[in-house]
Amino acid sequence: KQEVTQIPAALSVPEGENLVLNCSFTDSAIYNLQWFRQDPGKGLTSLLLIQSSQREQTSGRLNASLDKSSGRSTLYIAASQPGDSATYLCAVRPHTNAGKSTFGDGTTLTVKP
Amino acid sequence: DAMVIQNPRYQVTQFGKPVTLSCSQTLNHNVMYWYQQKSSQAPKLLFHYYDKDFNNEADTPDNFQSRRPNTSFCFLDIRSPGLGDAAMYLCATSRGRGLEDNEQFFGPGTRLTVL
Repeated sequence: KQEVTQIPAALSVPEGENLVLNCSFTDSAIYNLQWFRQDPGKGLTSLLLIQSSQREQTSGRLNASLDKSSGRSTLYIAASQPGDSATYLCAVRPHTNAGKSTFGDGTTLTVKP
Repeated sequence: DAMVIQNPRYQVTQFGKPVTLSCSQTLNHNVMYWYQQKSSQAPKLLFHYYDKDFNNEADTPDNFQSRRPNTSFCFLDIRSPGLGDAAMYLCATSRGRGLEDNEQFFGPGTRLTVL
């Protein structure tokens, strides 16, 4: 059974700092890994999708990497801003059940002005 | 240009009173998903439709049912809500389930309160 862990559960940084969020998973047989952002009381916004054959994806100040062999992904946020404050979730899609993604519990990020 | 729409955004129901949550999409995607998310927890998949093919998760209680009358709409029915069913319900879509087309797009969610 796939398990997805995100550590730390919460992170607070000053504005302008570069930071890394971590996601680890136990079963490396994945289709892809997707990073989401969730604001309080809202739905999920897709940030980046990394296919199993890829090692990283970039969008603006965000860069996500994937290392399947070690079961890890990182989300790098450059020059953080207060507007980046949110909960960040990662989700992995397995090969064996194409309809089901397993989510981590998320990391709640606070960027202080 | 909303893509995945959920109605209502907030729903209050009484213990045991059936409730229906609605999801619609303008993306013409084949797959629609329903997730339950409790406070500070990961979203938990309840079931999904691949076109008209219904796929229930093994641990989804019988109290939860779903209907997909057409490509655009999908409904979540909770037959007898209990206090433990209070949560955010998230609808998502993807074009398909294959390697290149399974990116998920989420709606804003419906917050369900059970009194």
